[in-house]
Amino acid sequence: QKEVEQDPGPLSVPEGAIVSLNCTYSNSAFQYFMWYRQYSRKGPELLMYTYSSGNKEDGRFTAQVDKSSKYISLFIRDSQPSDSATYLCAMSARGNYGQNFVFGPGTRLSVLP
Amino acid sequence: KAGVTQTPRYLIKTRGQQVTLSCSPISGHRSVSWYQQTPGQGLQFLFEYFSETQRNKGNFPGRFSGRQFSNSRSEMNVSTLELGDSALYLCASSLGIHQETQYFGPGTRLLVL
Repeated sequence: QKEVEQDPGPLSVPEGAIVSLNCTYSNSAFQYFMWYRQYSRKGPELLMYTYSSGNKEDGRFTAQVDKSSKYISLFIRDSQPSDSATYLCAMSARGNYGQNFVFGPGTRLSVLP
Repeated sequence: KAGVTQTPRYLIKTRGQQVTLSCSPISGHRSVSWYQQTPGQGLQFLFEYFSETQRNKGNFPGRFSGRQFSNSRSEMNVSTLELGDSALYLCASSLGIHQETQYFGPGTRLLVL
């Protein structure tokens, strides 16, 4: 079992739809949870990060973390064609020598006009 | 504030050659991490540097090495290139070694022929 699993996609939705992107993980030591957006041929761009369980909202984006279920989600409301990208979940835990980051494989999202 | 910059952006090499990639972190950031991204394996951690010292290393062969300079700029080197080294190499910076978030550069796309 991989340390972080992510819905593989690809996912195609019509413009204006609500999108749900999900990741599960196995390491209970993870404390910080991030979502990155990566456009084709670009580096990942940090969208949101949360600490421990709970919700965080930023504009059309809402991140949810449920540590008891080892499950995190990113919701995109009123999705736009410009949201078409690959979304990577990431999580980290403090290790002996620094923060250890692990990334999910990514979900490719297409928002159709 | 300028983001993470990486040079060169694209590179074509042949098997057996070596390559050096460069990364300049966000001003004030002292930690630099390197990742390899491929369609099959996703984002894989190579190593992390802080204050010119390698703090953390992923599971890559010794052909992959790096260093960090006193101005926090970092280089990674791959010797004796193999076809499988073709990938997007990403650099990410953060303020310190226990920071919860990383900011990525645009990457260097390496093609090994």
